[in-house]
Amino acid sequence: SQQGEEDPQALSIQEGENATMNCSYKTSINNLQWYRQNSGRGLVHLILIRSNEREKHSGRLRVTLDTSKKSSSLLITASRAADTASYFCATDAAAAGNKLTFGGGTRVLVKP
Amino acid sequence: EAGVTQSPTHLIKTRGQQATLRCSPISGHTSVYWYQQALGLGLQFLLWYDEGEERNRGNFPPRFSGRQFPNYSSELNVNALELEDSALYLCASSLWAENTEAFFGQGTRLTVV
Repeated sequence: SQQGEEDPQALSIQEGENATMNCSYKTSINNLQWYRQNSGRGLVHLILIRSNEREKHSGRLRVTLDTSKKSSSLLITASRAADTASYFCATDAAAAGNKLTFGGGTRVLVKP
Repeated sequence: EAGVTQSPTHLIKTRGQQATLRCSPISGHTSVYWYQQALGLGLQFLLWYDEGEERNRGNFPPRFSGRQFPNYSSELNVNALELEDSALYLCASSLWAENTEAFFGQGTRLTVV
């Protein structure tokens, strides 16, 4: 099974609202990353958070990491129609041979 | 600076044929990853190359193989194609093996008929 699992699988919100999605993983990680994918194209890197970090910000994005719960959350504030995409978390863990492993993703629809 | 480039963009093959997909990483990147993404699903890890060597392999049959060349570009070969191999194949590169962000190409859409 995937190292990272996103929740919810799908999310529909109105423009201007905040969107929150979560990622859970099974083993201790080196770092966790979030990516965005538009319409089945290549993924775009959003944020990398290391295992010794608890929170990072980038523009309207806020990522938290709770290593005790083996979970991370991605918050998109003041969402825009252009934020409509699938969002994936990815982890690399020594237990998995340090390869970059992705979850199943959260599909976000931002309605204008 | 050029990003990760993949070729071809689209590929149509018949069942039983072989497919070769190519990936050129960002200049200076030594690690290349390959993923398979079936329609509407997540990314399944296929292969990871670093400095010319295979670092890790996903749970795929041996007919999925690849290699990394001295210039760090990479090739994914799929033999004896099956209908369920139809998917978007994504390549990503990173600066070195661990703890760095990966940059993705736009993918190769493989259709097996």
